[in-house]
Amino acid sequence: AQKITQTQPGMFVQEKEAVTLDCTYDTSDPSYGLFWYKQPSSGEMIFLIYQGSYDQQNATEGRYSLNFQKARKSANLVISASQLGDSAMYFCAMREGRNAGNMLTFGGGTRLMVKP
Amino acid sequence: DTAVSQTPKYLVTQMGNDKSIKCEQNLGHDTMYWYKQDSKKFLKIMFSYNNKELIINETVPNRFSPKSPDKAHLNLHINSLELGDSAVYFCASSQDLRLRVGSSVLTDTQYFGPGTRLTVL
Repeated sequence: AQKITQTQPGMFVQEKEAVTLDCTYDTSDPSYGLFWYKQPSSGEMIFLIYQGSYDQQNATEGRYSLNFQKARKSANLVISASQLGDSAMYFCAMREGRNAGNMLTFGGGTRLMVKP
Repeated sequence: DTAVSQTPKYLVTQMGNDKSIKCEQNLGHDTMYWYKQDSKKFLKIMFSYNNKELIINETVPNRFSPKSPDKAHLNLHINSLELGDSAVYFCASSQDLRLRVGSSVLTDTQYFGPGTRLTVL
């Protein structure tokens, strides 16, 4: 089974509108971390936001927020007031427990395109 | 003052050659990683390394070997390059949470280098 699933290969959003990028995960470990990264066309991987499995509140970072629904095992990224510069690939990733190596498992990504 | 840097940014080489990609981090992190991103943008962990242990993803061919001269560097050496090795390789670094028992604030966020696009002809 896929550990991280991003069901939206591509999405369009109108500039200044909000958009939600879906991410579901699969783990039996009670301790885990969830991450979102942005990869613009220039190729670098930019960390956006983190949610720990024991965090009581949804994470927020500026225009980014994470809609964490633990029982449903989902960690959707919400981008408010989309900007043209938000056009990029977005990756959801998980680190399970305090595993040896702290390795991340990535989803397949969602390509977001912001329309002017 | 780049946090995680990689060289070279582009690498074009012939099949059968041996090549290295260098990675350096100035974040004082404990752990460094190598990831491979294929042509479909899928990212997969190759190695995790701190000064105590190397964790290898079992799917990585033994032609790939990480070499760490010190805590701030983790280089990737590839022997006998094959066409299928063409990809973008990312180095990353993070704190090792296992060394910080009880902390609820620290995260093990991984910060990535700019990537090295390897093309094998």
